[in-house]
Amino acid sequence: SQQGEEDPQALSIQEGENATMNCSYKTSINNLQWYRQNSGRGLVHLILIRSNEREKHSGRLRVTLDTSKKSSSLLITASRAADTASYFCATAVYGNNRLAFGKGNQVVVIP
Amino acid sequence: EAGVTQSPTHLIKTRGQQATLRCSPISGHTSVYWYQQALGLGLQFLLWYDEGEERNRGNFPPRFSGRQFPNYSSELNVNALELEDSALYLCASSLWGFNTEAFFGQGTRLTVV
Repeated sequence: SQQGEEDPQALSIQEGENATMNCSYKTSINNLQWYRQNSGRGLVHLILIRSNEREKHSGRLRVTLDTSKKSSSLLITASRAADTASYFCATAVYGNNRLAFGKGNQVVVIP
Repeated sequence: EAGVTQSPTHLIKTRGQQATLRCSPISGHTSVYWYQQALGLGLQFLLWYDEGEERNRGNFPPRFSGRQFPNYSSELNVNALELEDSALYLCASSLWGFNTEAFFGQGTRLTVV
């Protein structure tokens, strides 16, 4: 089944720095969604970007989508300690009737 | 507006028993999804319900089943529990299928001993 794959798997940065995560996928998608998960709790929805969109912003978050390269990136600007979490991308594929998740990307922001 | 709520928060069962997990979607959402997040395995798709019907299921044995009620809440049942069923079970809801944002609950931590 088609899944997003985040890269890199783990990232450690200083507070105030920017954090960038990438996600690649294999087949055409309807949309791609990014989520955050703190310490094994529920997932918090961050951004949904559709296949006909190239970039979306939400506060300190910026998501880009390159359908020709089948990849997406999530940028967190001016990171804070509270941004420490696992970040997942999930793809909705036409006709697949599911959201397929990548393995997650652990981000640690050091105060 | 209340988010997706799941109960119970934690559940401890003995191998061979049955577990029932519950989920209430966001008001107005008709689609409910279930995912399993076992340690080291990522989020695995279990089931999708919409308008009371099962629309899709993941690669799980039939002892994983569920249903959606007329008020769109949902129940996940796991029969004949095995140790490897220990995981965080997450429920999500959306307005309409996977074309819209899916919002997750806090999960039910199932431990099978």
